Amino acid sequence: GQQVQQSPPASLVLQEGENAELQCTYSTTLNSMQWFYQRPGGRLVSLLYSPSWAEQRGGRLTSSAASNESRSSLHISSSQITDSGTYLCAMEPGGYKVVFGSGTRLLVSP
Amino acid sequence: EAAVTQSPRNKVAVTGGKVTLSCNQTNNHNNMYWYRQDTGHGLRLIHYSYGAGSTEKGDIPDGYKASRPSQENFSLILELATPSQTSVYFCASGHGGAISYEQYFGPGTRLTVL
Repeated sequence: GQQVQQSPPASLVLQEGENAELQCTYSTTLNSMQWFYQRPGGRLVSLLYSPSWAEQRGGRLTSSAASNESRSSLHISSSQITDSGTYLCAMEPGGYKVVFGSGTRLLVSP
Repeated sequence: EAAVTQSPRNKVAVTGGKVTLSCNQTNNHNNMYWYRQDTGHGLRLIHYSYGAGSTEKGDIPDGYKASRPSQENFSLILELATPSQTSVYFCASGHGGAISYEQYFGPGTRLTVL
């Protein structure tokens, strides 16, 4: 079935102020993608939604995509301690379904 | 911002008991979804709905039923709860179809089956 691989695969540790890049690769071409943020035990908060591989920006966040490589990236600039949490990507390959990655846990330290 | 609420937020049930998880959205979205989230498995789709009166099986529907009595409400029903159904359950809504697959999530329900 369709799969989503996130990298770094498990966790990423940064110092405050550093930039982060998270990536998702997909096993198939897709119509849209969405990035979420989740605190432990919390709800998934939509960060960016991108139909048709368009680049999206929101504050310190930018999502970009390489459709020919079935890959998308989430760039976090000037990371802050409050950015710590889990970041998940989701893809919509067509039809009813949205397929999620397993998430990357980001820890930003002072 | 999308408004999706879930109740209860926490539930402890006994094996063999019936559990109903409720979800309400005020965005007039056509599509609603039920997921469970477990360490090592990520988010998995249980049931979804295209609109009032419709329910469809997702990837892991066994042991679960769903009900969509109205545009706003979508319930997940565990007729005979088992310990393997201990998890965090999330409801989501979205326009779906030709409009957008962007999804909006509720706060989650933590279910423990003893």
